[in-house]
Amino acid sequence: SQKIEQNSEALNIQEGKTATLTCNYTNYSPAYLQWYRQDPGRGPVFLLLIRENEKEKRKERLKVTFDTTLKQSLFHITASQPADSATYLCALTVNFNKFYFGSGTKLNVKP
Amino acid sequence: EADIYQTPRYLVIGTGKKITLECSQTMGHDKMYWYQQDPGMELHLIHYSYGVNSTEKGDLSSESTVSRIRTEHFPLTLESARPSHTSQYLCASSHNNEQFFGPGTRLTVL
Repeated sequence: SQKIEQNSEALNIQEGKTATLTCNYTNYSPAYLQWYRQDPGRGPVFLLLIRENEKEKRKERLKVTFDTTLKQSLFHITASQPADSATYLCALTVNFNKFYFGSGTKLNVKP
Repeated sequence: EADIYQTPRYLVIGTGKKITLECSQTMGHDKMYWYQQDPGMELHLIHYSYGVNSTEKGDLSSESTVSRIRTEHFPLTLESARPSHTSQYLCASSHNNEQFFGPGTRLTVL
């Protein structure tokens, strides 16, 4: 069956360190992979998109890698801040109309 | 902040009532979606639309129905609410493979 796996355990890091979150998927051949941030009680907010033919994408303190052979994406936040504390979701676009989401990883950045 | 709105934000209702969750976007996007999300769980797609007069069921079976009479409006209706419908409902639109989400409606059916 199709599955998107994100670490269900919260990631706790110290302010200023780099946070690395993992998204693994099986039985998909996604054209695009996205990362979203979700705060409690709110809808997800788009952060970054990476295409299947791209290896890496950067935006300010954020970096995403995409390995279609390993079926894995890594999401990095450098110089993390307490304000980065949230749940981070990865999502796959398999065709151009439907999105499939992981359950997210909660990030706690401690001052 | 995305220009997509959902009302009500919170709704507590008794079993058997008919409810409509409203979703509107001002971005002119053709594609719109409804997701259901329980705490700590992934979003499950329950309905989507490619444009006016186009609606499709998502991967998660749902007793709700949707309509798309206008581009900007994508309401979701439950004819007879049950406690199993208690959840968070998120509406989204998309453009260039990026999704824009509303704030969600937290529905509790007693």
